[in-house]
This record gives sequence, C-alpha cells and structure tokens, in this order.
Amino acid sequence: NAGVIQTPRHKVTGKGQEATLWCEPISGHSAVFWYRQTIVQGLEFLTYFRNQAPIDDSGMPKERFSAQMPNQSHSTLKIQSTQPQDSAVYLCASSLLGTSAETLYFGSGTRLTVL
Amino acid sequence: QQQVRQSPQSLTVWEGETAILNCSYEDSTFNYFPWYQQFPGEGPALLISISSVSDKKEDGRFTIFFNKREKKLSLHITDSQPGDSATYFCAAHTGGADRLTFGKGTQLIIQP
Repeated sequence: NAGVIQTPRHKVTGKGQEATLWCEPISGHSAVFWYRQTIVQGLEFLTYFRNQAPIDDSGMPKERFSAQMPNQSHSTLKIQSTQPQDSAVYLCASSLLGTSAETLYFGSGTRLTVL
Repeated sequence: QQQVRQSPQSLTVWEGETAILNCSYEDSTFNYFPWYQQFPGEGPALLISISSVSDKKEDGRFTIFFNKREKKLSLHITDSQPGDSATYFCAAHTGGADRLTFGKGTQLIIQP
C-alpha cells in the first residue's frame, strides 16, 4: 500500500496562472479531504468528498478554488488566477469509513509557490 | 477565531526527559481528540487519540490526559528520544460538522 499519493510535490506558478493539484487516495477509502498548511494559519480545512460526492466545501475560498473527484481513485484541487497568498502546502488525506472521526491518512503534500 | 489552541509553540527537552504538550479548546461539542505527528517534508500521521468519555489514553511512551470540565488536554511523551523531534498537532472533532479542527502545533526538539 503506497499510501496517499500527491502530485506534483512542488509547483511554482506565476501570479495569475492556474494550478491543478492531484491526489490519489488509498484504495478502498471512502473519503478524501483537502487541507492547506501555512506557518501563520496552520492546518486549514478546505473541502471533502465521501464516496466521490462533495460533502462540505465550507473552507474553500469561493471565487478561485474548486475541487473535484471524478472517480474513486483521484481528486483534484484547482486554483485559478493564483495569488501570492495562495502559497502553501496543500495536503490531501483519505479515511476508510468516510469520516474525519477516524484515522486520516495524509499524503506528503504539494508545496505551491506563487511568484 | 482559534477554536483549538496549543502551547508552547516550541519546546526543547533533553533526551530521556518527559515532554508535555498542551492543548485547549472552546467548543463543548468536540468529542474526539486526535494528536498528529508531522516530520519535515511529510504529511501529518495519527499518533494517538482520545474520546471525550475518557480522561486518559496511553500508548507506549505517549499518554493523553483529558480534562473535560476545563476543556484541556495534554500529551505526555516519556523517555523522549531524538526521533520524537517533530511538530505535534492537537485536533478536535465534532459530530455536528464532520471535520477536524487543528491547533497550530507545537514544534518539539529533543536534544541528545
């Protein structure tokens, strides 16, 4: 079991460009969570899917962020018109039964740097 | 509004000593409290967790003490090892909104 796989590990974009981040959850897990990690804000919840359906996106900045889970083997987080304040480590996690009241298995994250 | 607070922000202890990491929360509906350990360049990994019906949870050298009345928890790491050097996050879960709220973490350094 390779764990949660996130690609790319590092991404550098220019201000105003688009960034797409990929996550492959652990096979058989029911839920995928996206978090953003910065030194100042810590770990911030963004959104999550259960059985591919969006459940809660209340942490997503509404205008430029979107997330999808087209199939059970991957999820994407897309940031349009990236801004320097979007620079962060974006973490994806999956859980077996579909809730966050159980073990979340995190990937190693994608470090996004917006110049 | 920071619903889960951790202190200290950074802690250095000598190898073999007990490290004590503190966590407090505001929302009385929180009922499950995991602690995650994160090494540089990696994602957080679950270390140990406790539910609000318990006041203590032990797993080897790691123990959580929970005080529901005061809304406080602490993670005790006994016989600290250099390999324990990491950032530790306290988190809280409420059944109402199925999400974890994380504290900002305590960076622990174990000096050999």
